[in-house]
Amino acid sequence: GESVGLHLPTLSVQEGDNSIINCAYSNSASDYFIWYKQESGKGPQFIIDIRSNMDKRQGQRVTVLLNKTVKHLSLQIAATQPGDSAVYFCGDSGAGSYQLTFGKGTKLSVIP
Amino acid sequence: EAGVTQFPSHSVIEKGQTVTLRCDPISGHDNLYWYRRVMGKEIKFLLHFVKESKQDESGMPNNRFLAERTGGTYSTLKVQPAELEDSGVYFCASSFTLGDSPLHFGNGTRLTVT
Repeated sequence: GESVGLHLPTLSVQEGDNSIINCAYSNSASDYFIWYKQESGKGPQFIIDIRSNMDKRQGQRVTVLLNKTVKHLSLQIAATQPGDSAVYFCGDSGAGSYQLTFGKGTKLSVIP
Repeated sequence: EAGVTQFPSHSVIEKGQTVTLRCDPISGHDNLYWYRRVMGKEIKFLLHFVKESKQDESGMPNNRFLAERTGGTYSTLKVQPAELEDSGVYFCASSFTLGDSPLHFGNGTRLTVT
């Protein structure tokens, strides 16, 4: 599969502010997108996913936005907390495939 | 509900030796996946089991890697003989319904080949 990349390797935000983590994907056939959070020494933890028939999906304090026109995915975290500090990965898979393709990740640091 | 568990958490072996990694998926999850992250690189797909059958092993790097899932429960990934470039973190994941549920990952096995 084609690689999914992240725009920024690191992001620092003030506690209480909103965070936006961006991701670009290259496979126009991708129809499933997912965000994971990985803390040090742990495996990726599922945050939220979205299918290509939607452009927005909300969870608890998180929102994923999908722009298929420019092949862009973003994760918004509301009222960022110190516990949100981690590396965030986006992933995608194409129609008929269940291989997830990941980007390198964005490290989010929350400043107290 | 217990999550995906992997054993060992760390393994240090010498080049040429054999290592076997184990993954216990979430109970009831027919789909089991192996991924790995080599230093500085993205997490990459290795293979996918549906129950005991290999559904997709297109990501396996070479024939030194052998994955099994006898009985459709836990899975093992054997590297024989290990090479330096095999060092990295090996993640296992499982999911319930193919395509309709997200992958749940274990904490990974950090493999160091010296």
